Amino acid sequence: GENVEQHPSTLSVQEGDSAVIKCTYSDSASNYFPWYKQELGKRPQLIIDIRSNVGEKKDQRIAVTLNKTAKHFSLHITETQPEDSAVYFCAASIDQAGTALIFGKGTTLSVSS
Amino acid sequence: GAGVSQSPSNKVTEKGKDVELRCDPISGHTALYWYRQSLGQGLEFLIYFQGNSAPDKSGLPSDRFSAERTGGSVSTLTIQRTQQEDSAVYLCASGLPAGRPQGEQYFGPGTRLTVT
Repeated sequence: GENVEQHPSTLSVQEGDSAVIKCTYSDSASNYFPWYKQELGKRPQLIIDIRSNVGEKKDQRIAVTLNKTAKHFSLHITETQPEDSAVYFCAASIDQAGTALIFGKGTTLSVSS
Repeated sequence: GAGVSQSPSNKVTEKGKDVELRCDPISGHTALYWYRQSLGQGLEFLIYFQGNSAPDKSGLPSDRFSAERTGGSVSTLTIQRTQQEDSAVYLCASGLPAGRPQGEQYFGPGTRLTVT
């Protein structure tokens, strides 16, 4: 089955710096890669996702890159702000609704002002 | 509209007792997932329901865990003879039915289970 590794487990940056979180997956059949953000005491929410037919996707300060050959994908946050502080989870699955997401163990991002 | 709701929000139980956790998905969402979040761990898939189809139970960690979904809506996760290692936050999510591209899974607030 699919296995997702996520690094680093914790990340501290200064406000305005960039943050990068990396994930690797094992199942070459996976073709859907979402990122969820979970603020303290709140539920996880989707922030961005990427499908295997593209190599990069951007949404304002957030971007995700995918390298299918190497089976890794990364989340990039630019111009970080204190409200970006949260736990970020990457996941992998087949691009079909009804398929379970296999999550990484999460990265705790702390942005200090 | 209303999001995914779960009850209770917190549950403390003694080792060996059974517990039931409830999930109300978003109206119209036929897909329902249960995940478990342990301290320092990611979100671990437990079970998936799609309409009236047989559930995907591949993530259930032991036969002490079971779940049902009545009427294609509300779901109950049951843990029998609870153990301390069952202590975790149990999250329910709902989403689009199978046959479409994968999309956002909408999570509930979770039930924090503590087994003493």
